[in-house]
Amino acid sequence: GESVGLHLPTLSVQEGDNSIINCAYSNSASDYFIWYKQESGKGPQFIIDIRSNMDKRQGQRVTVLLNKTVKHLSLQIAATQPGDSAVYFCAENINGYSTLTFGKGTMLLVSP
Amino acid sequence: GAGVSQTPSNKVTEKGKYVELRCDPISGHTALYWYRQSLGQGPEFLIYFQGTGAADDSGLPNDRFFAVRPEGSVSTLKIQRTERGDSAVYLCASSLTGFGGEGTDTQYFGPGTRLTVL
Repeated sequence: GESVGLHLPTLSVQEGDNSIINCAYSNSASDYFIWYKQESGKGPQFIIDIRSNMDKRQGQRVTVLLNKTVKHLSLQIAATQPGDSAVYFCAENINGYSTLTFGKGTMLLVSP
Repeated sequence: GAGVSQTPSNKVTEKGKYVELRCDPISGHTALYWYRQSLGQGPEFLIYFQGTGAADDSGLPNDRFFAVRPEGSVSTLKIQRTERGDSAVYLCASSLTGFGGEGTDTQYFGPGTRLTVL
């Protein structure tokens, strides 16, 4: 199917490396943040979330870091695998509002 | 278990025609969302349903776009007089309770409907 990754920033890594994907969010009132993974031809898949009262949260092979001072979010993937190849989006939300605002996305390419 | 499903997966239509896109949310999810994703971009919010009612339709681009969820489950996004600029992937998501108040919960996305307007 047609890729959603055209014209996106791209991070290329070798299998087994650690990957760091960055996101600058826009609204200082945002208090809930989510990382989604999107493979070509599929909908976004939830990876991990974090609330603004935390600065770090860990999942299985993934860690999200939040720096509210500079409005920056990062996703760290440990021991990256070829199956991690996809476009990664950060999304932000303000408590009390329904809208998720998505960032521009980063394409992760993992070479075996 | 079953996730969010969307039909059709692909829809090709001619400029000026009417289209309907269907979303079946995860069973028991009260909140349903429609997004639109253009090539190389992140999803953009269109409308949010809480139960049967549209709680937030601020993302609908104009009055050619309309969505319904008459029984609080399946939703249909309707686009009248389609234009070439409407070509995109239309994504549906659902969540257990929706945003607002104490409830901020995960949105689960369907695979999308790719709409192409010729």
